[in-house]
Amino acid sequence: DADVTQTPRNRITKTGKRIMLECSQTKGHDRMYWYRQDPGLGLRLIYYSFDVKDINKGEISDGYSVSRQAQAKFSLSLESAIPNQTALYFCATSDGQGVIFGPGTRLTVL
Amino acid sequence: AQKVTQAQTEISVVEKEDVTLDCVYETRDTTYYLFWYKQPPSGELVFLIRRNSFDEQNEISGRYSWNFQKSTSSFNFTITASQVVDSAVYFCALSLSNDYKLSFGAGTTVTVRA
Repeated sequence: DADVTQTPRNRITKTGKRIMLECSQTKGHDRMYWYRQDPGLGLRLIYYSFDVKDINKGEISDGYSVSRQAQAKFSLSLESAIPNQTALYFCATSDGQGVIFGPGTRLTVL
Repeated sequence: AQKVTQAQTEISVVEKEDVTLDCVYETRDTTYYLFWYKQPPSGELVFLIRRNSFDEQNEISGRYSWNFQKSTSSFNFTITASQVVDSAVYFCALSLSNDYKLSFGAGTTVTVRA
């Protein structure tokens, strides 16, 4: 099984809809992150969590929220999706030695 | 604040040519970590290397090599004898200390033609 899994892998939704992207990891890492990738901009940090009770905003948190349901699970929500949130979203985990990324979720907001 | 610049947007080479990807970073911290990731057309991010700011030794891994120079704030990546499978987007990234909140460059798209 993959170390970091993301569901769904692809999603098309409409403006104004609420959507949740889920991330699970089997590495037992405390640290988890959500990034988004836009063409020509690289990846940017949305939110991060260093343990179950710790949630922190990243560089571009507006329009997003997260939930750390357990050590292994970190979900990203778009409360009311808008077209400029169309992007590739990556979840990542770290044990303090490196960063492992999930396979990504391609989200399209129409 | 930290910043990573990958000035080369796209590079196209013929198979077996060497290709060097530039990465310049900015930070006022003395402790930091530098990374390179590969993103093949399938979209996943593949970890290539992590280097901390106290280790300026260059590194070689097969056809890949990295040149870290603190004096010029650069961490360049060279692919020797490129192959078609090296075609991908390559990202350089920086984190301060070991929090691993990565700041990414914009990426360089490498196309290797047969």
